[in-house]
Amino acid sequence: GQQVMQIPQYQHVQEGEDFTTYCNSSTTLSNIQWYKQRPGGHPVFLIQLVKSGEVKKQKRLTFQFGEAKKNSSLHITATQTTDVGTYFCAVPQGAQKLVFGQGTRLTINP
Amino acid sequence: GAVVSQHPSRVICKSGTSVKIECRSLDFQATTMFWYRQFPKKSLMLMATSNEGSKATYEQGVEKDKFLINHASLTLSTLTVTSAHPEDSSFYICSARVGGTGRGQPQHFGDGTRLSIL
Repeated sequence: GQQVMQIPQYQHVQEGEDFTTYCNSSTTLSNIQWYKQRPGGHPVFLIQLVKSGEVKKQKRLTFQFGEAKKNSSLHITATQTTDVGTYFCAVPQGAQKLVFGQGTRLTINP
Repeated sequence: GAVVSQHPSRVICKSGTSVKIECRSLDFQATTMFWYRQFPKKSLMLMATSNEGSKATYEQGVEKDKFLINHASLTLSTLTVTSAHPEDSSFYICSARVGGTGRGQPQHFGDGTRLSIL
């Protein structure tokens, strides 16, 4: 089945530093979604990328979809303590299911 | 919009007890809901796809007799962990998609149920 590799597994930064997480697939993706899960919480949908080379921004978050539609990244500029959590990419498998990446757990030193 | 409610949020019970978890879509209809299991600091593992009015589709390695899923209406799916044992302790999360069709629909998650079997 579809698999997606996400790195790094953990990232600890000082508040104000940037953060990036990457997802890679061996196959071409129709789309990729990104979710954020706060500690003790549930995943919350952030964004979906569909087009080759697409770049979308949400305030300090920048999402990119590779030209070959096999990789994606989430970049946070000038992290804040509210950014703490685990960020997951998710890719479709079949008509309904989503396969989640391993997640990148972001911790921040204030 | 797109609110998914999951209940209970936490269960602590003795080994051998059966536990029912409810997942409701509050402001939309969901022909399909999904049940995930998440171990501490790990990713979400899909257990089964719950289909309204028909049998659930279980992922490989998930015991359907152990994890009973019922999706009797367009807004409610239930997961029953039968004769639960300590190894069943985990965080169970449901999700649903608005629209229900197409690969592009995001999933909306319930708050999750933390199950602890003593």
